[in-house]
Amino acid sequence: EADIYQTPRYLVIGTGKKITLECSQTMGHDKMYWYQQDPGMELHLIHYSYGVNSTEKGDLSSESTVSRIRTEHFPLTLESARPSHTSQYLCASSLGERPGELFFGEGSRLTVL
Amino acid sequence: AQSVTQPDIHITVSEGASLELRCNYSYGATPYLFWYVQSPGQGLQLLLKYFSGDTLVQGIKGFEAEFKRSQSSFNLRKPSVHWSDAAEYFCAVLYGNKLVFGAGTILRVKS
Repeated sequence: EADIYQTPRYLVIGTGKKITLECSQTMGHDKMYWYQQDPGMELHLIHYSYGVNSTEKGDLSSESTVSRIRTEHFPLTLESARPSHTSQYLCASSLGERPGELFFGEGSRLTVL
Repeated sequence: AQSVTQPDIHITVSEGASLELRCNYSYGATPYLFWYVQSPGQGLQLLLKYFSGDTLVQGIKGFEAEFKRSQSSFNLRKPSVHWSDAAEYFCAVLYGNKLVFGAGTILRVKS
């Protein structure tokens, strides 16, 4: 079992609300990622981090922001949620010396009304 | 452009039958290749990976995959499917530091 946790698992929220999706891992991995997953589509990388105080935007433009103040914690924030943000968000982590071998959380399914 | 193609959106096989899921990629150099599986309501789990060497790689849960450079393919196989294999399967390629995923193939297993 991978030790990476996401909360909440499900969130239904109104337009304009601020939300934070939490992601924590206990494996000491230096790299962490956020992917967006929609049915029938590729997973799209929206943010990644190679270590504390390091964050980068991924290939898919996203209005969300992330922070990496502690190695184990990589939260994603949406300041003002919109229906277009409705999606599944997957957090993952990996060791730098094992590229491509990602451990995923169970996902946070966000619905914005 | 960097891309990973999984031509089959859905595949249905009978329990006990063999399985092959297709994956093609675009990349000039020798790629790092992966297969992940996602069970309903779960995150993705790594099944197997190919970096170099033997082109037939073994993974967890009885899966294997074969890298064919001439066809730019990395197809996933299993000799005998179990009902618990019903899930979505994602092929992925490491382009530089970024892992690019295909759109996935949903496997249904009928008894």
